[in-house]
Amino acid sequence: DAGVTQSPTHLIKTRGQHVTLRCSPISGHKSVSWYQQVLGQGPQFIFQYYEKEERGRGNFPDRFSARQFPNYSSELNVNALLLGDSALYLCASSFGMTGDYGYTFGSGTRLTVV
Amino acid sequence: LAKTTQPISMDSYEGQEVNITCSHNNIATNDYITWYQQFPSQGPRFIIQGYKTKVTNEVASLFIPADRKSSTLSLPRVSLSDTAVYYCLVGDIGTGGFKTIFGAGTRLFVKA
Repeated sequence: DAGVTQSPTHLIKTRGQHVTLRCSPISGHKSVSWYQQVLGQGPQFIFQYYEKEERGRGNFPDRFSARQFPNYSSELNVNALLLGDSALYLCASSFGMTGDYGYTFGSGTRLTVV
Repeated sequence: LAKTTQPISMDSYEGQEVNITCSHNNIATNDYITWYQQFPSQGPRFIIQGYKTKVTNEVASLFIPADRKSSTLSLPRVSLSDTAVYYCLVGDIGTGGFKTIFGAGTRLFVKA
């Protein structure tokens, strides 16, 4: 079985541009969460979607948005990129909303903003 | 808002037992405590999860006291390949809905 897949694996963008990151959860998982991990720090929660609805939002500006599709895959969009948005963006899937059986993470998308 | 606190780093030698404690004073009543391992440039990997008392699997044990305000991850007989960052994770329900809160992580360095 495929694990959580994220695309692209690496991305370089210029300040002010827009970026879309994609995530495919494990088959059967209905929840997808997004995290930002700056080098040397723990992952910071951005969004959680469950059954295609936003269930949780972290302390990120409105430039960050996401959505979940009928097949439970998800996109994270970031507008007007800043240098500080450079980070590893992680996607995690779980069967339920509260991760009672744990979250499975993808390998992440490394975003560099120049 | 739930918050987790862990030691920043720990050193150990191969074959020793390592215990990493995480404090989570405001953990929600129904929330589980989960521990993850992360290697550089990889996503976190699930180690163990528990709600209360003690849980053991093939790689680790998790001890949770009755008040659930802390948890201790125990790694028996560590090897060099256990050198990684370890995170505890709890949930939080409040403004903004349901969130998952990672600690800052504990960098474990295992020496030969």
